[in-house]
Order: sequence, then structure tokens, then C-alpha cells
Amino acid sequence: GAVVSQHPSWVICKSGTSVKIECRSLDFQATTMFWYRQFPKQSLMLMATSNEGSKATYEQGVEKDKFLINHASLTLSTLTVTSAHPEDSSFYICSVTGVNQPQHFGDGTRLSIL
Amino acid sequence: GESVGLHLPTLSVQEGDNSIINCAYSNSASDYFIWYKQESGKGPQFIIDIRSNMDKRQGQRVTVLLNKTVKHLSLQIAATQPGDSAVYFCAENPTGTSYDKVIFGPGTSLSVIP
Repeated sequence: GAVVSQHPSWVICKSGTSVKIECRSLDFQATTMFWYRQFPKQSLMLMATSNEGSKATYEQGVEKDKFLINHASLTLSTLTVTSAHPEDSSFYICSVTGVNQPQHFGDGTRLSIL
Repeated sequence: GESVGLHLPTLSVQEGDNSIINCAYSNSASDYFIWYKQESGKGPQFIIDIRSNMDKRQGQRVTVLLNKTVKHLSLQIAATQPGDSAVYFCAENPTGTSYDKVIFGPGTSLSVIP
């Protein structure tokens, strides 16, 4: 069965709105969750690393005020794309990991900003 | 974010043939390597992994070879099936700890010809 649940799987919204994406670890307590972005026919690019109860660590070039990450529990992390614009349209994927666990990935959220 | 390359190489193989997908990694200190399979519209799925103290590891129909001298990784798929059609990514984990980030390679799109 699925180890990671990501919701929603697909969202379309107007430019300027904020969108929240949820990532849940179903099988184990995830000490760390990661958020990636993937453009068509490209690789996954890590956006940020999220540890439960602490601030996320963002990769170079990723705006932390634009992409808000909350990791309130060992099973849930959320990514909020604030004031989304068409260039933010992408496939957003989370992954979870824990002690002696490889990274398990969600099925992604396809975000389309009109 | 970090990534290696921006374009997606492709590989076409006949059903039943063996496939070999290659990957060059960047960090000679990387300790842990993973191959992922990504089907259209889904997140990456773990296939097989290998640590730097090994040069070969076998799974079901898959074999990973690691050549640390030239920083090269390969994935061999035996008797390729139509269901193997997907994008394959190698990923390197510099620290070898499961809860640390991994860096994805550019990916290879595998098409299986029936």
C-alpha cells in the first residue's frame, strides 16, 4: 500500500491565490520530509528539507516567503505556494524518510496557475 | 535547488531485450546511491540501492553496478517488459544517511517496443 499520501493530486487556481499541498506519512513517523519541484521532462529539484518541529531548510534560489513549509507533526508536512503566478505551475512532490528508511515519495501535485 | 542536467535522454529497447541505463554522478564522496522509476503523473518509486563499499547489487530482474573510479552508475533491467517504460533516475546521497537529502540525476526515459 501507499506509504505517502499527497493531496491534492491536481489543482488549478487563479493567479494571486495561495495553494496548500499536504504530505502525509502513512506507515511510519517521518523525521524528515522533503519537497521537490519537477518541470516537464526534467529532473526533480529539491526545494527544501523539513524536520518536525523546526524551520525548514531551503535550497539556494528557493524563496522561503514564497514557499511556506510547515511540519507540525511526524506524519504531516504542508507546502503553501503563496500568491501563486503562472511561473509557479509545476509538479510538486514530497518525500518522507525516517530511521533506517529510504525516501518514499508521494504521487505529486500538479499545480496549474491561470 | 540542486540538479544535474536539464534535458532527458531517451532509450528505446525491444521487449524481451536487456536494458542498460547509465548515470554519472558528481560527488566522489557520495556514499549511497539509489535508482528510482517514475511513471507518468506519479512520484518516483524506489527500485534498488547500493552503498559505496559495493560494486554490484542484484534485485529482481534488476542489477546496479557502481564504478567509483569513474563515478559511474548503471542500472540493468533483464528481459525488459512494456511495464518497464518510464523515466529512470539515479540519485546520490552524499552522507549515506537515509534522512539526508539526495541529489537526482537528469533521468533517462525508457521506451519498450512491443
